[in-house]
Amino acid sequence: QKEVEQDPGPLSVPEGAIVSLNCTYSNSAFQYFMWYRQYSRKGPELLMYTYSSGNKEDGRFTAQVDKSSKYISLFIRDSQPSDSATYLCAMGYGQNFVFGPGTRLSVLP
Amino acid sequence: DSGVTQTPKHLITATGQRVTLRCSPRSGDLSVYWYQQSLDQGLQFLIQYYNGEERAKGNILERFSAQQFPDLHSELNLSSLELGDSALYFCASSETGGPRDEQFFGPGTRLTVL
Repeated sequence: QKEVEQDPGPLSVPEGAIVSLNCTYSNSAFQYFMWYRQYSRKGPELLMYTYSSGNKEDGRFTAQVDKSSKYISLFIRDSQPSDSATYLCAMGYGQNFVFGPGTRLSVLP
Repeated sequence: DSGVTQTPKHLITATGQRVTLRCSPRSGDLSVYWYQQSLDQGLQFLIQYYNGEERAKGNILERFSAQQFPDLHSELNLSSLELGDSALYFCASSETGGPRDEQFFGPGTRLTVL
């Protein structure tokens, strides 16, 4: 079993849809959780960062962490074509962190 | 534009060769990270430097080495290259290198080993 699992997609949704992206993990030592967005031929950029279980909202994005289930999610409301990218979850403890394989999302106009 | 620069953008070389990838961090950032991204392995953390000193090591092969210079730029050296080393190599930088720091990624160097 990989340390971090993520549905690779691709995921296609119509513009305006709510998107749910998910990761599961096996290492209970993970303390912080991140979501990155990576456009084609670009480096990843940080979207959300959270330390605790629960929800964190930033504009159209909500990150959800459930440490008891070892499950994290990223919700995108009112999705836009500009949200089309690969989304990577990442998690870590101390200086150790692991990225998920990424989910490719396409938002169709 | 993240402010992190990487050169070269593309590199094509043969098996057994050695290459050097270069990274300049954002102005003011003291820490540099190196990552490898391939289709089958995803984004893998290789190594982190802070102000010239190695801070953390990930899945870096013994054939790979890195350093951070006094002017804070960093180089990743890959030697005895194999076909499986073909990947995108990203550099990222952060202000202090702590786990709460946001990392800013460069545009990457695409390495093709033939």
